[in-house]
Amino acid sequence: TQLLEQSPQFLSIQEGENLTVYCNSSSVFSSLQWYRQEPGEGPVLLVTVVTGGEVKKLKRLTFQFGDARKDSSLHITAAQPGDTGLYLCAGATSGTYKYIFGTGTRLKVLA
Amino acid sequence: DAGITQSPRHKVTETGTPVTLRCHQTENHRYMYWYRQDPGHGLRLIHYSYGVKDTDKGEVSDGYSVSRSKTEDFLLTLESATSSQTSVYFCAISESQGEPYNEQFFGPGTRLTVL
Repeated sequence: TQLLEQSPQFLSIQEGENLTVYCNSSSVFSSLQWYRQEPGEGPVLLVTVVTGGEVKKLKRLTFQFGDARKDSSLHITAAQPGDTGLYLCAGATSGTYKYIFGTGTRLKVLA
Repeated sequence: DAGITQSPRHKVTETGTPVTLRCHQTENHRYMYWYRQDPGHGLRLIHYSYGVKDTDKGEVSDGYSVSRSKTEDFLLTLESATSSQTSVYFCAISESQGEPYNEQFFGPGTRLTVL
């Protein structure tokens, strides 16, 4: 069974701080996605990475796919209260139709 | 926002009763998915559909069945609900199965409690 472990599970920081969330697996993925979910809503896609070593930036968010395509990280610079939410990574294996979701990181940014 | 609705949004039922959750989309997307979300487990795929009357099992399909008689509707049925099926259920849709464009759009979720 493929597993995606995210760390930390919970993170509470002050506005303006930087943070990194990790997504790790022993499996190789052909692509990996990051979603953000707010309370009472479904997840919303932030980014998809497909190439080992790829780095993508979305405003203050930086996403990196590991060289071996087994892990990924999400770095947030100068966190804001609006970044509060549950962050989920999801990996897909080549030739499959479905994504395996990680366990999630719940982020709270305090004003 | 993608046009996905789920009904009911909340439901409380008793062990042993049948329950049907409905997912309705207005996007005419081919693929539809049912997930459950539990603390510590993230999202787990229950069943998915790749067309009308075409469905397949996900990683946690035991105790669940699905049906898709129209492109826009995907039903999830718990034949005899158990307390372990207490969860939040999400429906998702996707236009293309091809990577890396398989962005899934999620519905608002249904919170199911089985007493």
